[in-house]
Amino acid sequence: QQQVKQSPQSLIVQKGGISIINCAYENTAFDYFPWYQQFPGKGPALLIAIRPDVSEKKEGRFTISFNKSAKQFSLHIMDSQPGDSATYFCAAPQWSSASKIIFGSGTRLSIRP
Amino acid sequence: EAGVAQSPRYKIIEKRQSVAFWCNPISGHATLYWYQQILGQGPKLLIQFQNNGVVDDSQLPKDRFSAERLKGVDSTLKIQPAKLEDSAVYLCASSTYPRTSGSPAGELFFGEGSRLTVL
Repeated sequence: QQQVKQSPQSLIVQKGGISIINCAYENTAFDYFPWYQQFPGKGPALLIAIRPDVSEKKEGRFTISFNKSAKQFSLHIMDSQPGDSATYFCAAPQWSSASKIIFGSGTRLSIRP
Repeated sequence: EAGVAQSPRYKIIEKRQSVAFWCNPISGHATLYWYQQILGQGPKLLIQFQNNGVVDDSQLPKDRFSAERLKGVDSTLKIQPAKLEDSAVYLCASSTYPRTSGSPAGELFFGEGSRLTVL
């Protein structure tokens, strides 16, 4: 089964700083890499996703960088705000099925005021 | 548009008892997922339905877990008998797959989850 390895497990960043979360995947036949954000007591929600016909995708303060040769992708949060404090999950489709989404272990992000 | 509805939100049971969780996906979403999220871990896929058929249940402990999706809409997940290690949040998600555009799998829309505590 596809593995998605995520790091770090937890991260503390000062307000206004840059938060960086990394993910590595094994193999996939379907190039689609989403990031989900989860607040306590809520289900995960799609934050941003990339299809690797591009190496980078930016939406507001959130950017995904993708390195296909290294099988790695990362989430950058610029100008981090206390409201960004949440758990972030990277994900990838299972090798054999585009619709079977496998999640990483999560990164708990805390933004200090 | 109404989101994914789940119930109950919380359930506490003794080990060896049974429990059932219910999920109502977003209207028109053909694909429905059940994930198990143990505290401090990422969601683990248990079972995936497309309409009322099972697409993948390879990670479902079939000796104690069962799930069904009648008429391709609502779904129930049952655990019988429950073990201590089943304590987790059970998340239901739905997507428009296979009718997706822009991405292979489409966006997964999650409910708020059902938190199970087994004592």
